[in-house]
Amino acid sequence: DAKTTQPPSMDCAEGRAANLPCNHSTISGNEYVYWYRQIHSQGPQYIIHGLKNNETNEMASLIITEDRKSSTLILPHATLRDTAVYYCIVRVWNTGGFKTIFGAGTRLFVKA
Amino acid sequence: GAGVSQSPRYKVAKRGQDVALRCDPISGHVSLFWYQQALGQGPEFLTYFQNEAQLDKSGLPSDRFFAERPEGSVSTLKIQRTQQEDSAVYLCATEGAGANEQFFGPGTRLTVL
Repeated sequence: DAKTTQPPSMDCAEGRAANLPCNHSTISGNEYVYWYRQIHSQGPQYIIHGLKNNETNEMASLIITEDRKSSTLILPHATLRDTAVYYCIVRVWNTGGFKTIFGAGTRLFVKA
Repeated sequence: GAGVSQSPRYKVAKRGQDVALRCDPISGHVSLFWYQQALGQGPEFLTYFQNEAQLDKSGLPSDRFFAERPEGSVSTLKIQRTQQEDSAVYLCATEGAGANEQFFGPGTRLTVL
């Protein structure tokens, strides 16, 4: 079962920031929060991940609440090409084996 | 190539046929994952390899599904006696040792008639 909850869809105007929320209230101390996105007919693409600190890279920023029960992915200046399904997942690094559980994701529509 | 490749990209099978789906990982990536993605759904985990060892196959839906990675590189997902409910996109992803990012292939779209 997915350990995260996301809204099914969101709209965003082109050029504005897109803020995608995710709830992961049962996250444990050694689980990371990951974000992927999937553009139609392609495999998922890694965006960013974090444990407890906020993270930023060339694609996005990840804000994790202090209690780690929720997070927000921020696309600072959304473009039409950012229209995709965004998945928030939690996973733990375990050399004994692990599985990554995807939920249904948030379908982001960026509109001109 | 630089990325994960999968073949074939599209496969149509008659119900009851066996199919084999191939995944070519990024060179040197020790971890390899298979996922099944039904239309409109997120990817669902099937199985995980670390090198040639299959460490988790808890997501395989039935004993008709079998995966192998005999030399720790190329992997094959085999589905025997295909059923219509097997129709989906099958995604392969690989990850380097100690890395934090899974790289996904484009998937194989399987349609069972």
